[in-house]
Amino acid sequence: GENVEQHPSTLSVQEGDSAVIKCTYSDSASNYFPWYKQELGKGPQLIIDIRSNVGEKKDQRIAVTLNKTAKHFSLHITETQPEDSAVYFCAASSGGGADGLTFGKGTHLIIQP
Amino acid sequence: DADVTQTPRNRITKTGKRIMLECSQTKGHDRMYWYRQDPGLGLRLIYYSFDVKDINKGEISDGYSVSRQAQAKFSLSLESAIPNQTALYFCATKPAGGDTQYFGPGTRLTVL
Repeated sequence: GENVEQHPSTLSVQEGDSAVIKCTYSDSASNYFPWYKQELGKGPQLIIDIRSNVGEKKDQRIAVTLNKTAKHFSLHITETQPEDSAVYFCAASSGGGADGLTFGKGTHLIIQP
Repeated sequence: DADVTQTPRNRITKTGKRIMLECSQTKGHDRMYWYRQDPGLGLRLIYYSFDVKDINKGEISDGYSVSRQAQAKFSLSLESAIPNQTALYFCATKPAGGDTQYFGPGTRLTVL
């Protein structure tokens, strides 16, 4: 089955700086890669996703890049703000598919004022 | 109103008790999922359902069972709870043909 590795487990950055979270996956059949943000006491919420036919996608301060050859994808957050503090999860799936998402173990992002 | 709701939000029970966690959705999605979250381990898939008649095991189904009572309702049961089933449990939904999963707020279960 799929295995998703996520790094780092904790990331502390100064407000206004950029943050980068990296994930690798093992199954070359995976073709859908979402990123979720989880705030304390809440369920994960999708913030951005990318499909395997695209190398990069941006949405305001958030971007995701995908390297299919190397089987890794990254989340980039620019101009970080206090409300960006949360746990972020990457995930992978074969898309439309049967067995749900395989998640990384999460990154606790801390924005220092 | 929330699109995906879970009840109860918190539950404390004892070893050996039978527990049911419930999930309801108003999104009209066909597919529903149950995940378990443990500190430092991310979310792991327990069971998923394509429709009322289609139930499938996920990565960690041992010790759990599910029931899809209707398109909008998907319940997770622990037949005889044990302490290592203490965790956060999340329900999610997805439309057929789509990729995005939408999560409920979670149930925090503690087994003493």
